[in-house]
This record gives sequence, C-alpha cells and structure tokens, in this order.
Amino acid sequence: QLQLQESGPGLVKPSETLSLTCTVSGGSISSSSYYWGWIRQPPGKGLEWIGSIFYSGNTYYNPSLKSRVTISIDTSKNQFSLKLSSVTAADTAVYYCARHNHVSYLWGQGTLVTVSS
Amino acid sequence: QSALTQPPSASGSPGQSVTISCTGTSSDVGGYNYVSWYQQHPGKAPKLMIYEVSKRPSGVPDRFSGSKSGNTASLTVSGLQAEDEADYYCSSYAGSNNLGVFGTGTKVTVL
Repeated sequence: QLQLQESGPGLVKPSETLSLTCTVSGGSISSSSYYWGWIRQPPGKGLEWIGSIFYSGNTYYNPSLKSRVTISIDTSKNQFSLKLSSVTAADTAVYYCARHNHVSYLWGQGTLVTVSS
Repeated sequence: QSALTQPPSASGSPGQSVTISCTGTSSDVGGYNYVSWYQQHPGKAPKLMIYEVSKRPSGVPDRFSGSKSGNTASLTVSGLQAEDEADYYCSSYAGSNNLGVFGTGTKVTVL
C-alpha cells in the first residue's frame, strides 16, 4: 500500500527558503499514471495547491506561487521535493505531499511549517 | 486557478441527511466526470470519500453518495453519525494545464 511521508524543518525564518521532501514507499515514483504534488493548508483555512511534478520532470505550478516555487523529483531515492523561497508569515501552513491524477488524491500525513523569527 | 464554491457550513441531527454543494464552471466540474470529495477531521490529512462523481472507495460507508448536475456537484451524507462531523472538500479535474482545483470547504456539524 502506497504511503507518502513529508520531512523537513518545522520552523523557517522570514525571507528564507522553505524546503520539504516527500518520501514515497510501497510503490514507484516513476509511474506514468500519476503526478506528485504539494498542497498546503494555513491554520483554520482551506486547501491550496502549490504545484505538481510528473516522473519525467515536467512541472506544473500554481500561478500565484510560481515565482517562488521549485519542485523536483529524485527517482533513484523515490522522493520529490518542494522549495518555496522568500517566505513570510503567510506561508505558515500544514504542507501535504500527495500522489494524484485526474481521478483523486492520496495524501501524506502533512507537516506543519511555521514561518517566524 | 479559481476555487470551487462550497457553503461554509452545513448541519443535521443524528440520523438525518445533509447535502453539500460544490459549484464550478464548464471548465472543471461541468466539463468532466472527475469530481472527488475528501473528509478531513481536525489535525488529520484529507481522506478520499467519493471519486468520479459518485464512486466510493473500498471501506467508505454507503451513507456517502455523490452526484452532479451541470456545473454543480453534490455530496450527500445520509443517516448522519457523530463521526461524520468534519470538514469536507471537493476537487475537480480541470484539464492538464490546470491541476489542483479544490473547493472552499464545508464544515459539517452533527447537532
């Protein structure tokens, strides 16, 4: 059964870069049937798609975040990663990684990232 | 990248039914039969409840059902139980250049 696990610092300083990694187990990240994405949820608010990557390396970003987001994939480690630059307090959120296609999403457990000095 | 519109809240007594709407456009909800619904309890990750408008994954009670008419999809929870109290989000495919379309979320309260 496929599982996804986010990892990375829980506290990031303003203006710095947030970096998270998602490790996929129980299945291959090289599947041509799925995208691998990042979604975030600020405290008390709804879900916001950040971006996704295909196993080939093609990336798709939310236009509102595109200038600050980089998503990459490492098929040898079965991992994909998120970098969000120039963070502010507004980027404080639970960050989820997910496997998805046009049918549905399968979510990791999420990790809280707080932006604070 | 516009969010799908859901009512902020819905409620019902145990045993009753509640229906949540999810309104989009012909470019997302109305254009594809790929609407999914997720249940999220506090502090937990979203859980898939309905996919492809009306299909239930294994293990999801048949009290949960989905439908669609035009640009609006709906999730109905029948025979409400205390454990159904949660936030619910819809999502729709919107084309290969517009991934990640979610609803605004609905908080369901069991009275």
